[in-house]
Amino acid sequence: GAGVSQSPSNKVTEKGKDVELRCDPISGHTALYWYRQSLGQGLEFLIYFQGNSAPDKSGLPSDRFSAERTGESVSTLTIQRTQQEDSAVYLCASSLAGTGREQYFGPGTRLTVT
Amino acid sequence: QKEVEQDPGPLSVPEGAIVSLNCTYSNSAFQYFMWYRQYSRKGPELLMYTYSSGNKEDGRFTAQVDKSSKYISLFIRDSQPSDSATYLCAMTGNYGGATNKLIFGTGTLLAVQP
Repeated sequence: GAGVSQSPSNKVTEKGKDVELRCDPISGHTALYWYRQSLGQGLEFLIYFQGNSAPDKSGLPSDRFSAERTGESVSTLTIQRTQQEDSAVYLCASSLAGTGREQYFGPGTRLTVT
Repeated sequence: QKEVEQDPGPLSVPEGAIVSLNCTYSNSAFQYFMWYRQYSRKGPELLMYTYSSGNKEDGRFTAQVDKSSKYISLFIRDSQPSDSATYLCAMTGNYGGATNKLIFGTGTLLAVQP
């Protein structure tokens, strides 16, 4: 079946611009996660959505980062006023509810801030 | 000190060798232990997960968890050039309704030489 999809695959933006990244989870997966993978830092948790519950935003590095999810479908991660340190690969994962241990990842969006 | 430590390698082995990959961790609340494989410029791919202590085998892959030592391993038998990738360990706890965010090691780069 279809896996997690993300778009765009690559994004180059100028410092100070806003960017929006999209994630389409596996159908039927109610849990959705965003992670960031950067050199030297490994994979870091950003935010978690589970159904209609309030999202866990504890991993967002600053208030320039926000994310939304409509129901149990698509999620968007928005970074406002991008900075060079935001350059990284942004990965989305989804899982069945209560089975966060089996998270399936998308291919990621490679963000470069110039 | 990071919650999860993993030797970054690189680890180079000849085809057919047995590969041993390891992680140590400090958080005794971790109960689920995962191994992901990540090819260059791709998203992480879930290989297998283990609950609590013990062994789990899947084809050429065996995962071991020793909670008393806070040490996990992944063994690859009869390694193939196609196994060349970065291997990431990841862990999470049993947090009930709370976020099952994964805590990752930094990954070990493996090269299997033909």
